[in-house]
Amino acid sequence: AQSVAQPEDQVNVAEGNPLTVKCTYSVSGNPYLFWYVQYPNRGLQFLLKYITGDNLVKGSYGFEAEFNKSQTSFHLKKPSALVSDSALYFCAVRAGSGNTGKLIFGQGTTLQVKP
Amino acid sequence: EAGVTQSPTHLIKTRGQQVTLRCSPISGHTSVYWYQQALGLGLQFLLWYDEGEERNRGNFPPRFSGRQFPNYSSELNVNALELEDSALYLCASSLGVGGPQETQYFGPGTRLLVL
Repeated sequence: AQSVAQPEDQVNVAEGNPLTVKCTYSVSGNPYLFWYVQYPNRGLQFLLKYITGDNLVKGSYGFEAEFNKSQTSFHLKKPSALVSDSALYFCAVRAGSGNTGKLIFGQGTTLQVKP
Repeated sequence: EAGVTQSPTHLIKTRGQQVTLRCSPISGHTSVYWYQQALGLGLQFLLWYDEGEERNRGNFPPRFSGRQFPNYSSELNVNALELEDSALYLCASSLGVGGPQETQYFGPGTRLLVL
C-alpha cells in the first residue's frame, strides 16, 4: 500500500537556525513527491515537488527538499528559519503508478519558529 | 493570475440536509480535485474530474458526488449530511495529468459545520 509518514507532530526551531521537517514514503513505482504548507484557516500552498531529475529540489520561500531513494525519504529543509515559517506542513505522494489524481498526505507537522 | 477560488467560505447545515460547494480552477487548468480535511482524519481524497468526466473517487459513500462543467469549474454535492461530514473541503486544480502538469494547486477551502 502507498503511504506517507511524517514522524514528528511538531518541530521547534529558533529563528535563524536551520530547519528540517521529515517525510518518508512507501510507493510502488517512481514516486511523485510534494510538500505543501497550510497557515491557520487557509488552504494548502504548494512549496515544491520531486518528479524526476536532481535529488535536491528548490522551492518557494527558500525551502528545499532532498529526495533519497535508498532511504525512501523526502525531507524538507531551510537554511535559516523565519518566525513567519510557523505553520502546518504536509508531505504528499501521488498514489498509484499511473494517473489516479489522488495525493496521499502525511498527517502533517507543525513547525514552530521562536524569535 | 487568480488562484483557485471556492464558495462559500463557511457553511452551517443540519443533519439530513444537502449542500453544494463550488470551485473555480486556475485559468487554463482542466483537472479539478476535491479533498476533505476533517479533524483527526487528515486530508482525504474525494474526487477527481478531468475534461468534464469523473476520473477517480476516494473511499467515500455515494452521497458524496459532484460534477465538472464545460468551463472546468466544479461542484461537490453532499446529500443526507451527517455530523462527521463537518470538515474543511478543499478544491485543487492542475494543468492536466502526467508529469509536472499534475501539480495540484489548492483553494482556500469551504468550512462546513453540520449540527
